[in-house]
Amino acid sequence: DADVTQTPRNRITKTGKRIMLECSQTKGHDRMYWYRQDPGLGLRLIYYSFDVKDINKGEISDGYSVSRQAQAKFSLSLESAIPNQTALYFCATSEGGGRETQYFGPGTRLLVL
Amino acid sequence: RKEVEQDPGPFNVPEGATVAFNCTYSNSASQSFFWYRQDCRKEPKLLMSVYSSGNEDGRFTAQLNRASQYISLLIRDSKLSDSATYLCAVDLTGGGNKLTFGTGTQLKVEL
Repeated sequence: DADVTQTPRNRITKTGKRIMLECSQTKGHDRMYWYRQDPGLGLRLIYYSFDVKDINKGEISDGYSVSRQAQAKFSLSLESAIPNQTALYFCATSEGGGRETQYFGPGTRLLVL
Repeated sequence: RKEVEQDPGPFNVPEGATVAFNCTYSNSASQSFFWYRQDCRKEPKLLMSVYSSGNEDGRFTAQLNRASQYISLLIRDSKLSDSATYLCAVDLTGGGNKLTFGTGTQLKVEL
């Protein structure tokens, strides 16, 4: 079984809809991250969390919100989806404490019409 | 100037060739450095960490040049299966907070 899972894997939605992307991990890591990837722009950090009570904005947090429900779960919400949020979204985890290698989930392909 | 910068390529090389990529970073206080491999539309996977003394894993060698603020990845005896995008990642904060990724360098290994 994969250590970092994301649901859904693919999603098509309409402008203005609220959607949630979920991430779960069995690695026991404290740190979790949400990125989006667009062609030519690489991976950009949306939000990150170092533990359940610690949530931080990344470089492109506008239009997004997150919830860290437990150590193993980190959800990303688009409150009112817009077409330029069409992208590939990745969740990642890291152990922290000087061990900064990040491990990625398989990604969610989101299309906003 | 981007904080972490890579030549996007593509690098088209014949099978068996040696190819090298560089990745420059903006903050001299940066600490952790990594190379990831990403296949088309799939998740990035860790290829190797980059240590101050350099490190080697089979056909892959990674090096860090702090004076010039770049890391490099050398691939020897390229295989068709090495075709992918190679992302560098740097902890620009120097404090173990988060990684900043380059946009990636595309490698195509051809017969």
